[in-house]
This record gives sequence, C-alpha cells and structure tokens, in this order.
Amino acid sequence: GNSVTQMEGPVTLSEEAFLTINCTYTATGYPSLFWYVQYPGEGLQLLLKATKADDKGSNKGFEATYRKETTSFHLEKGSVQVSDSAVYFCALATDSWGKLQFGAGTQVVVTP
Amino acid sequence: DSGVTQTPKHLITATGQRVTLRCSPRSGDLSVYWYQQSLDQGLQFLIQYYNGEERAKGNILERFSAQQFPDLHSELNLSSLELGDSALYFCASSVAQAGAGAFFGQGTRLTVV
Repeated sequence: GNSVTQMEGPVTLSEEAFLTINCTYTATGYPSLFWYVQYPGEGLQLLLKATKADDKGSNKGFEATYRKETTSFHLEKGSVQVSDSAVYFCALATDSWGKLQFGAGTQVVVTP
Repeated sequence: DSGVTQTPKHLITATGQRVTLRCSPRSGDLSVYWYQQSLDQGLQFLIQYYNGEERAKGNILERFSAQQFPDLHSELNLSSLELGDSALYFCASSVAQAGAGAFFGQGTRLTVV
C-alpha cells in the first residue's frame, strides 16, 4: 500500500538557521506530493505541492522538489523565523479523487 | 482563511452519546473529506463524498457515519461514543483531482468524558 515517512521531531533550530525535513514515500503509480503546515490550535494549510517528477513546489520561502528516483520530497527553507514554528506534514495523493495520505508530522521549534 | 467552515469548534460529551459535526466546503468545491487527528494515530482519513455520493472510505468505525447534502455541506455523525474517540476532527474540501490538494477547516475538538 501507499505510505509516507517523515523524519521524527521535534526539530529545534535557531532563528535564521537552515531547515530540512525529510520525506520519503511508497506509492503505486505517480502520486502528487504535498506539504501542509499546522500552526498551534489551527487546521492544516497547504504550503506547497508538486504533481510530477522534477517539479519544484515553493511558497513563503519553503521549497521541495519531487524526486522520483529517490521517492522523496524533502522540505527546505534557507532562513527560518520564529513564526515558522509549527507541525509540518508531508502527504501524497494517488487516486483521481484527491484523497490525501499523510505522514506522521514533524514538529519544528524555532528559537530567537 | 481556507474557506472551509466547521462547527462547533469544541464539543464535550459523555460516553455513549451521539454528536454531529458540521462542515461547509469552499465555494465551488464538490468534494468533502473527513479526517481524524489523534496523538497516537496521527491524521487518519475517514470518508470522502463527492457531490452527494460517497466516493471513498478509510478507517471509519461502524459507529460513525457521514453524508453530504444537496447544498454540499456535510455532517459527520459519531454515536455510542467512547473515550478513545476524543480527537480533532477535520473537514477538507477540494475540486477532487489528484494534484489539487485539499483545503482544511479549523477542526472540531471532541472530548468524550
């Protein structure tokens, strides 16, 4: 079956540090890949997405590249802020109805 | 603001009771998804409706049911509640294409006491 594996958190960083969150997937066919972010007490927000191999999704300084050869979709940001503290979820969708399957989530804590 | 509205935001109820969670999708979205988020199980897909018809079922208990109405709002009914049903329940909506992604509401936090 399909699955998404994310690095475990929490990831603790200082402000302006470089952030990487690893995400790998197992899927039949050609999934679309997503990163969602959940701020404390809120719902999930779509951060970025990629729908085919070598696509790069980007938003708010975050980037992720769809790597089919390594079945990965790692999230990166060059300089994090305290406001980036949140839980980040990697997800995939394989069926035409758009149902999402999520990883376990990675908590990121950015300190001043 | 995602455009997806869920009510109520919080719900506290006793074991054995029944509750109804409500979701209004984004304007133009025909598909509604329900997810359960708990500390031990993470985000679990429960069920999907598209334009009033059930399209996919995930790890939804038999005590739970859902429907989507002609105006496209959806309700998730949880009955014979147990302590373990305490969780955040999210509704999401989308245009139901693999690459579109989905937009989530703020969730309903259910506490069963």
